Amino acid sequence: SQQGEEDPQALSIQEGENATMNCSYKTSINNLQWYRQNSGRGLVHLILIRSNEREKHSGRLRVTLDTSKKSSSLLITASRAADTASYFCATDYGGSQGNLIFGKGTKLSVKP
Amino acid sequence: DTGVSQNPRHKITKRGQNVTFRCDPISEHNRLYWYRQTLGQGPEFLTYFQNEAQLEKSRLLSDRFSAERPKGSFSTLEIQRTEQGDSAMYLCASSPGQFSPQHFGDGTRLSIL
Repeated sequence: SQQGEEDPQALSIQEGENATMNCSYKTSINNLQWYRQNSGRGLVHLILIRSNEREKHSGRLRVTLDTSKKSSSLLITASRAADTASYFCATDYGGSQGNLIFGKGTKLSVKP
Repeated sequence: DTGVSQNPRHKITKRGQNVTFRCDPISEHNRLYWYRQTLGQGPEFLTYFQNEAQLEKSRLLSDRFSAERPKGSFSTLEIQRTEQGDSAMYLCASSPGQFSPQHFGDGTRLSIL
């Protein structure tokens, strides 16, 4: 079963615009992570936010976490064509051993 | 920095055959995970090892699936008597700790004829 659900399922923007993706989850978590996947490749870790954190930045990425609403958002600022990929949120759950539960992902297309 | 390596990258086989995939994690990582990903979906957890011990298995891992990690280094995932529904990308990941970011390989894409 899937824990996270990303929204929207697909997003198409122009280069230079910002992209916002949302993720909702169902149970309590230790942390939430965002990953990127280019077509036919493995996943690349982007950012990890712990359950006691509310916001985290990494370069052009900004992640927020609202544990009361069980939701997170990923903002990519000043998008580039190279940002075209699928983006997944992943959560562990309170009693897990660290294995991750992924959502279905948001497919981002950035047009030059 | 050598990342996670998976072999083969692609495997095409006939229904009913056995297949084996290999994963070489980042050398200092003691945790190794296997996931399965079908088209348009996120990865689904299959099993994980801490060193050589297999500590958790998903209900997705039927008795046709077996995974090993001898000596706590590389891991193999074997599927016996493959079925059409086994067609998927099989991803391996490793991490240095329980809630650390996971580093993924590029996966093995399995196609069942």
